[in-house]
Order: sequence, then C-alpha cells, then structure tokens
Amino acid sequence: GAGVSQSPRYKVAKRGQDVALRCDPISGHVSLFWYQQALGQGPEFLTYFQNEAQLDKSGLPSDRFFAERPEGSVSTLKIQRTQQEDSAVYLCASSLGQEAVPLHFGNGTRLTVT
Amino acid sequence: EDQVTQSPEALRLQEGESSSLNCSYTVSGLRGLFWYRQDPGKGPEFLFTLYSAGEEKEKERLKATLTKKESFLHITAPKPEDSATYLCAREGGSQGNLIFGKGTKLSVKP
Repeated sequence: GAGVSQSPRYKVAKRGQDVALRCDPISGHVSLFWYQQALGQGPEFLTYFQNEAQLDKSGLPSDRFFAERPEGSVSTLKIQRTQQEDSAVYLCASSLGQEAVPLHFGNGTRLTVT
Repeated sequence: EDQVTQSPEALRLQEGESSSLNCSYTVSGLRGLFWYRQDPGKGPEFLFTLYSAGEEKEKERLKATLTKKESFLHITAPKPEDSATYLCAREGGSQGNLIFGKGTKLSVKP
C-alpha cells in the first residue's frame, strides 16, 4: 500500500489484559514514530526508531509500554496490564530518511480499556 | 514549559467566508513549525513546514505564515470539504518528537 498501515483499527481490552498494536510503515522509510492521541487533544510523542534502533523512548508513559522494530520495518507497540487511562488512539508515523520530518501518519488504532 | 497554543478551539464559517487560525509557541530557536489537517477517524495529514520568520507557503485555499512567536493558517474562500481539525506542531527535543497543539476544529457550512 501507499501509506502507513495500522492494525487492528479498533481494540477493546479488559483492564489488566496485554495488547499489541502493529504498524506497517511506508516501504523504504527509515524513521518510525509512535504517538498517543487522547480525545480532543493533539498527538503526544511516545517513541522513535531509526531502522531497528530505538533512539528515543522518552515519551513512553510507564514501563508497561514497550515498542520494537526488530528488522527495521514493521513495528509493534505493546501495552502490558492495560489501565483505563491507556484508552486513546495510537498513531504510527514514518518518514523517508534520517531527517524525521515531514511525518506521514497512519489512521491509528483506537484502544478502549474497559 | 514549551507550549504550542492554538486558537480558536472551534471556528464555524460560511462557505466563502475567509478567516485565519492562530498557533503561538514559546520556544527560542524554532527548528520547524508544522501544520497538519486531521479528519475524523483519520491520522493527521501533512500540510506545511515553515522554518524561518517571514516564510510563507500556499496550497490551494490555504496559506501558512510564520513570525517569531506565532504562525497563521489563512483560509481563503473555504469550501465545506475544508472542514477538519487543523493541528499545529513544533519540533521538540529530538527528531520527529513533535509537540502538537490541541487543534482548531473548523466547520464550513454551505
């Protein structure tokens, strides 16, 4: 596909469950980012990969959040022991080179924790 | 704390009624100011990047401008299809770490 693809589109989890969110960046894009967007807010940075290296994870809100990109392409954001405050849209973005902008966003995964 | 503040929060226009959205930021040494459009249920779509005061960029009915403290997104003769939330962001501490405002929700009525 031409754009960033995220799956699933929607995820409902019971509090305490683990979830895994997938991101397929645009083919050949070196840089990959995860953002979290709460309702009515702008996206907030979570973490950044350049190829398979995680260069910045300063935005991850707790050690329950973990992201990986083992082969420098597909990335997974994992949230362990989900809490209600984790409910949000999780956006993935990629960019062509080491120059990170402009970012090209996917349509996100809406996570609802009940 | 470095902030990006957008105003107004919501704006309702009649088709053809031109207006401007504001984005103010509190940081010295701006590395880039970005405008995105976000439709409901979609991810943000890149519109413009501005790097220096006085810079202007245009795309169809949209024009973005930048001063030392704020950016404006001017919408000329808007159409209903311009209805969306417009997000402003500046580059934060590391590459790709964009700090977004809360957005301006624009509604254009025919």
